[in-house]
Amino acid sequence: GNSVTQMEGPVTLSEEAFLTINCTYTATGYPSLFWYVQYPGEGLQLLLKATKADDKGSNKGFEATYRKETTSFHLEKGSVQVSDSAVYFCARGKLIFGQGTELSVKP
Amino acid sequence: ETGVTQTPRHLVMGMTNKKSLKCEQHLGHNAMYWYKQSAKKPLELMFVYNFKEQTENNSVPSRFSPECPNSSHLFLHLHTLQPEDSALYLCASSQPPDYGYTFGSGTRLTVV
Repeated sequence: GNSVTQMEGPVTLSEEAFLTINCTYTATGYPSLFWYVQYPGEGLQLLLKATKADDKGSNKGFEATYRKETTSFHLEKGSVQVSDSAVYFCARGKLIFGQGTELSVKP
Repeated sequence: ETGVTQTPRHLVMGMTNKKSLKCEQHLGHNAMYWYKQSAKKPLELMFVYNFKEQTENNSVPSRFSPECPNSSHLFLHLHTLQPEDSALYLCASSQPPDYGYTFGSGTRLTVV
């Protein structure tokens, strides 16, 4: 089938900690992959994307690499800030979203 | 401002009311979508429009009625809703779908 699976939240980190949010997908073919972020009270914003295998998407210090071998697109950031507190959604093309992972960063 | 504008931002309505949600985009996108986001649940795709034609309806109850008069505007007409319909309703657009979606800020709907 076609699905996107993210690690369960909430994830709580201290400021400047390293962040990884796992995301795996199932699909026929090689869909585009996305990470969206939703800040409190807002809609979703596109954070980064990758359109083919081995592509790395990056934005605002966040990175994710399209891994065809492991069907993964894990989100990473080397040093999180309090302002990164939000819900993060992994998604693949054709309207498939993961369930979202809430990130809370403490000062 | 994300390029997709939704109004109103907040709406409280009774179960016998009729109201409409509005979504507008001037990004030149040809596809528009309605999503429902409830607490602790995944995003639920409700409707998809491509070039003003409805191409997907994910078994949405008839008390939700979409309308797409042109490629820039999308409405969601609401009538006789239930309290469990309370949620954040998100509009999105894309061109084409694999290039990613631009979302509006959503309408927070409360049915009392």
